[in-house]
Amino acid sequence: EAGVTQSPTHLIKTRGQQATLRCSPISGHTSVYWYQQALGLGLQFLLWYDEGEERNRGNFPPRFSGRQFPNYSSELNVNALELEDSALYLCASSLAPGGTPYEQYFGPGTRLTVT
Amino acid sequence: DQQVKQNSPSLSVQEGRISILNCDYTNSMFDYFLWYKKYPAEGPTFLISISSIKDKNEDGRFTVFLNKSAKHLSLHIVPSQPGDSAVYFCAASAFRAARQLTFGSGTQLTVLP
Repeated sequence: EAGVTQSPTHLIKTRGQQATLRCSPISGHTSVYWYQQALGLGLQFLLWYDEGEERNRGNFPPRFSGRQFPNYSSELNVNALELEDSALYLCASSLAPGGTPYEQYFGPGTRLTVT
Repeated sequence: DQQVKQNSPSLSVQEGRISILNCDYTNSMFDYFLWYKKYPAEGPTFLISISSIKDKNEDGRFTVFLNKSAKHLSLHIVPSQPGDSAVYFCAASAFRAARQLTFGSGTQLTVLP
């Protein structure tokens, strides 16, 4: 069974540009989560999508946005890039959330560098 | 405000000995806890989890202990192997918080041969 995939592996942008990161969840998973891991820091929750809807977002400005497509894949967009947006962006997927917790399974990440 | 804390950024252990990684949390709403392992240039890999209704969960060489009164959990790896060398993240989730995971900052475990 294929795991969570992310593209591109690396992305280099200049300040002020927009970045688009993509994620394909594990087959059968409907929830997709985005996390940011800046250098030396832990994983910070960005966004959660389920069944095409944004269910929750972390403490990030509105220039971080995304969407989930009917096939459950997801896109993260970062507008007006700033130097501090340089980080590893991780996508995770899980089965539909319900009364029982479901573990999240992570992709390899996209390394975004803003110059 | 860091709700999940891993106070030891690094830990070195001899091969064959026990590795104990610690994690503290402050949010009493957390009811599910997970440990992830991360190698460089890879995404975190789920290791083991525990619900707040239990105080211990075991899976092979990995055991997680939960002390709710102390808001503390620990991951024991016995015996430790060089392949266990990685960054270990503790994460917590709350049913009423829409199941998002709150991660600690990680502990780099090095198992020396």
